Amino acid sequence: EDKVVQSPLSLVVHEGDTVTLNCSYEVTNFRSLLWYKQEKKAPTFLFMLTSSGIEKKSGRLSSILDKKELFSILNITATQTGDSAIYLCAVEAEGSARQLTFGSGTQLTVLP
Amino acid sequence: DGGITQSPKYLFRKEGQNVTLSCEQNLNHDAMYWYRQDPGQGLRLIYYSQIVNDFQKGDIAEGYSVSREKKESFPLTVTSAQKNPTAFYLCASSDRAFYNEQFFGPGTRLTVL
Repeated sequence: EDKVVQSPLSLVVHEGDTVTLNCSYEVTNFRSLLWYKQEKKAPTFLFMLTSSGIEKKSGRLSSILDKKELFSILNITATQTGDSAIYLCAVEAEGSARQLTFGSGTQLTVLP
Repeated sequence: DGGITQSPKYLFRKEGQNVTLSCEQNLNHDAMYWYRQDPGQGLRLIYYSQIVNDFQKGDIAEGYSVSREKKESFPLTVTSAQKNPTAFYLCASSDRAFYNEQFFGPGTRLTVL
C-alpha cells in the first residue's frame, strides 16, 4: 500500500523565518511527487517533482526531491502571514490507475 | 473562465437521508476524483473516473456512489450506509495526458445532524 508521511504535523513561526517541510513516501513504481497549498478550501498546486536533485523554485518557495532516500522537502524563506496554510504532499504511481496518495499535511502558522 | 465548481458549499442532512454533491468542470479533463478530508488528516480517495461511463472505487468507497454520464459532471451520493459522513468533500479533475496534476474545486462541507 502506498504511503506518504509529512512532518511536522504543525509548525508555528514568526514572519521572516525560514521553514522546511518534509515529505517521505513509500510507493510502488513512483512517477511524480506534488506539493499543494490549502488555505481555506481548494488545494492549489505548487510544484511537481519527477527527477532527483533538481530544485523547483517559485518566489520564496522551493522544493527538491530525493528518489534514493524517498523524500522531498518544501522550503519557504522569509515567511509571511499569507503563507499560513496546510501544505499537502502527494505521490503518483505508475500504472493504469495513477492515483494520487496524499499525506496528512503540515499546518503552518506564520505569526506577525 | 475554466475551472471546477462544487455545490452546495455547505450541506446539512439528517441521519438516514441520502444526499448528492455536485461537481462540474469545464476544463475538458477526462479524469475526475472525489476526496474526503477530515480534520488533521490528508485527502482520502473515495471514487475516481478516468473516462465517461466508467469509474473505480478508491480507498474509502463504502457508503458512497457516483455516476459519470457526462465528461463534465461527476456527482457523488453519500448514502445512509456511510457511517460517519460529516466531512469536507473535495472534487478534482486532471488531464492525465502526462502527469496527474489535479485541479480542485472549492469543496462541500457536509454536516449530518
